[in-house]
Amino acid sequence: ENVLTQFPATLSLSPGERATLSCRASQSVNTYLVWYQQKSGQAPRLLISDASKRATGIPARFSGSGSGTDFTLTISNIEPEDFAVYYCQQRRNWPPTFGGGTKVEIK
Amino acid sequence: QVHLQESGPGLVKPSQTLSLTCAVSGDSIKAGSFYWSWIRQPAGKGLEWIGRIHTSGSTIYKPSLESRLTISMDKSKNQFSLTLTSVTATDTALYYCVKGSVSYDFEIWGQGILVTVSS
Repeated sequence: ENVLTQFPATLSLSPGERATLSCRASQSVNTYLVWYQQKSGQAPRLLISDASKRATGIPARFSGSGSGTDFTLTISNIEPEDFAVYYCQQRRNWPPTFGGGTKVEIK
Repeated sequence: QVHLQESGPGLVKPSQTLSLTCAVSGDSIKAGSFYWSWIRQPAGKGLEWIGRIHTSGSTIYKPSLESRLTISMDKSKNQFSLTLTSVTATDTALYYCVKGSVSYDFEIWGQGILVTVSS
C-alpha cells in the first residue's frame, strides 16, 4: 500500500493566520491526491481533488499544490469554521489510502 | 441533492456477521456511472476504504478484508449494502457509505453509523 504521512499532527493557529499542511506519499501519486476536512462529529467533506482543484462550494482560501510524493494544503486567513481535522488521500495506487490526518486547532 | 443514510445494528457479537445498508435519496443508484463505497473510521483514528460497488454491479474490496466482505446493490430499493462476516473487536468503527463519480474520489458521504463488536 501507498503510505501517506501527514505533518504536523497538530497545528495551533489563531483566526486570520495561514495554515500549511503537508502530506507525503511513499510512492508517487502524480497529482491523484485528494484533501478532506472533517469537523468534530461530522463526516469528511471533499475539499480538493487532483491535488489542486477545489470542489464545488469550497472557499478560495483553500488551495492545494504538489505532485509526485509531496503535497501541501494551504488555508489562507483561517476562519473559526476551518478548525478541524484534515486528511489527504491518494487514488493513484490501489487500494486508495488515507493519511493519518492533521488537526488544526485554535491557539 | 443526494443524501446517503446508513442503517443497521449498532452492536454485533464477535464471530457474527455485520450487515449495513445505505439508502440513497435524491439520486438513482442505477443511473449513470458512479462508485458506491464503504469507508470506516475507528474511534479517534483515521479513515480506511474497505470496498465499493459500481453502478454496473462490479465490486472490488480491500485485500485484507476480501475474504469476509460482500457489497451488494438493490436497485429496486435504491440502496446498497455491506456484509462483513466473522467480525472481531478490530472491526469496531464508524462506517460511512460514500458516493463518487470519479474512481476513488469520495464526494458525497453519509453521516456514518457506529458499529461496536462486543459480547
